[in-house]
Amino acid sequence: GAGVSQSPSNKVTEKGKDVELRCDPISGHTALYWYRQSLGQGLEFLIYFQGNSAPDKSGLPSDRFSAERTGGSVSTLTIQRTQQEDSAVYLCASRRTSGSGGTDTQYFGPGTRLTVL
Amino acid sequence: AQRVTQPEKLLSVFKGAPVELKCNYSYSGSPELFWYVQYSRQRLQLLLRHISRESIKGFTADLNKGETSFHLKKPFAQEEDSAMYYCALSGPNTDKLIFGTGTRLQVFP
Repeated sequence: GAGVSQSPSNKVTEKGKDVELRCDPISGHTALYWYRQSLGQGLEFLIYFQGNSAPDKSGLPSDRFSAERTGGSVSTLTIQRTQQEDSAVYLCASRRTSGSGGTDTQYFGPGTRLTVL
Repeated sequence: AQRVTQPEKLLSVFKGAPVELKCNYSYSGSPELFWYVQYSRQRLQLLLRHISRESIKGFTADLNKGETSFHLKKPFAQEEDSAMYYCALSGPNTDKLIFGTGTRLQVFP
């Protein structure tokens, strides 16, 4: 079946512009996650949506970052007034159910490579 | 503080040699530990998790709570094992993943 998809695959923008990154999770997956992979850094958690609950935004690095998930499916990560340090690969993942102890796992998308000039 | 440490950025071995990718963690409580792998031009995927106690592609990892380690091992490396490997943990009340910085494994013929 179709996996997690993300668009665009690459995005080049100028410093100060706003960008929107899109994630289409696997159909029926209730949990959705955003991570960031910066050069020289590991994968960094950004935000997590689970069903209709309030999202866990504890990983967002600044108030320029925001995300929403409409209708429990597609998610958009928005970065306002982009800075050069925002350049990274942004990964989305989805999971059938949330919570630990289950046998399901997070499935990752191919990522969006963001370059801020 | 919750943290995952992978001390090696790069590990190079010859085909057939044993491999051990190190992972240490810091967590207050009982986390769930994972190894994820990213092959060239492919997306990140789960390799194994400690609760499953399984061997995937010949890899195993044992959770050592005393040493807070979850090292990944394979007795005989293959060229197709060349990839980026990430150790990660999640807590019991949240399944957001905390990743290490990754180790690139290069297996030479």
